[in-house]
Amino acid sequence: GEQVEQLPSILRVQEGSSASINCSYEDSASNYFPWYKQEPGENPKLIIDIRSNMERKQIQELIVLLDKKAKRFSLHITDTQPGDSAMYFCAVNQGGSAKLIFGEGTKLTVSS
Amino acid sequence: AQTIHQWPVAEIKAVGSPLSLGCTIKGKSSPNLYWYWQATGGTLQQLFYSITVGQVESVVQLNLSASRPKDDQFILSTEKLLLSHSGFYLCAWSLDWGADAEQFFGPGTRLTVL
Repeated sequence: GEQVEQLPSILRVQEGSSASINCSYEDSASNYFPWYKQEPGENPKLIIDIRSNMERKQIQELIVLLDKKAKRFSLHITDTQPGDSAMYFCAVNQGGSAKLIFGEGTKLTVSS
Repeated sequence: AQTIHQWPVAEIKAVGSPLSLGCTIKGKSSPNLYWYWQATGGTLQQLFYSITVGQVESVVQLNLSASRPKDDQFILSTEKLLLSHSGFYLCAWSLDWGADAEQFFGPGTRLTVL
């Protein structure tokens, strides 16, 4: 089945710097790529997503880039704050359906 | 505004015992509903989805079953729990059934099987 590779699994950055998480997928029919943030003990929250008709999307300090040819997409958090510390999951819809396949997650720690 | 509620919040059950977890969504008619499972420290795995009352599709077989008895209700159950069923169970909903429909998660139920 579809696999989503997410790297790195652990990311530590200094407050004010940028953080980048990369995901790759296999299914060329995938057309929806959401990112979720999950804090300890909480449910995942959708923070940004991108569809296959776009290459870049930005919401405040969050930037998502999509390279369909390479089957890669990435999340960039600019000017990180301690409140950005959390688990981040990328996901891909399998075969262009509503079945989401999630990456293994990235634990981001922002230190002040 | 839509609200999603899951019950119970947490459950401790014995191996071999039955289980029933519930999810309701208010403020949206005919939502698309999903069940996910997350092992402690792990990623999310979609288990079931339903686009209408009475219709449930299985995505992953984990000795669990799901039903949608009402438009706003989604139930996850099993007659016999395994240790491997421990984890975080999340109900999610989306407004549309499009392939690019945004999915939003409920608060979750934490299950411990002993």
